[in-house]
Amino acid sequence: GAGVSQSPRYKVAKRGQDVALRCDPISGHVSLFWYQQALGQGPEFLTYFQNEAQLDKSGLPSDRFFAERPEGSVSTLKIQRTQQEDSAVYLCASSLFRDYLSRGTQYFGPGTRLTVL
Amino acid sequence: DAKTTQPPSMDCAEGRAANLPCNHSTISGNEYVYWYRQIHSQGPQYIIHGLKNNETNEMASLIITEDRKSSTLILPHATLRDTAVYYCIVRVVSNQGGKLIFGQGTELSVKP
Repeated sequence: GAGVSQSPRYKVAKRGQDVALRCDPISGHVSLFWYQQALGQGPEFLTYFQNEAQLDKSGLPSDRFFAERPEGSVSTLKIQRTQQEDSAVYLCASSLFRDYLSRGTQYFGPGTRLTVL
Repeated sequence: DAKTTQPPSMDCAEGRAANLPCNHSTISGNEYVYWYRQIHSQGPQYIIHGLKNNETNEMASLIITEDRKSSTLILPHATLRDTAVYYCIVRVVSNQGGKLIFGQGTELSVKP
């Protein structure tokens, strides 16, 4: 695969439903990031994995948000009991090395647009 | 990480150089300047980064002032496909997590 892929590209959920968003990073990339982008705003950091270890989850807005990367490749962002304020584009990014080697170059997927009704 | 200030929008004529400014007056000595752009309905795309020297690659040039308090991204011959939101980010490169902190960016419109 050429780049980071995300699925689904669009998701509509009723308030209170659980959703799962998938990210397939570029093969071999060690670092994986999730960002949330509200309409008209820049992306905001949610969480960071180095291989399977979740090293930073300081950006997760509530305990309804959970992310995992069990085998150090594919990652899933799960949102429980969705609320209208969760409506946003969820972006996944990966980088080849640890930060100091990749020099901050992250490769982003196209995002999943989540709409909560 | 230091905060950046960018104009909210700019226009540029197709074929002309686009010069996008960024102020980062509180930048620390170990913080790099990064530029990403986001074309509509796509994820952000890395453009270029630098510490204190000017940098150039196939996409753009980055000019950093001597005091490092501001920088300019230059797209030498803008095309319609360069229409996007451009983000200037300053951050430390470390052995730990490398999250990017995006501001509002500059919406560049390239016009025919």
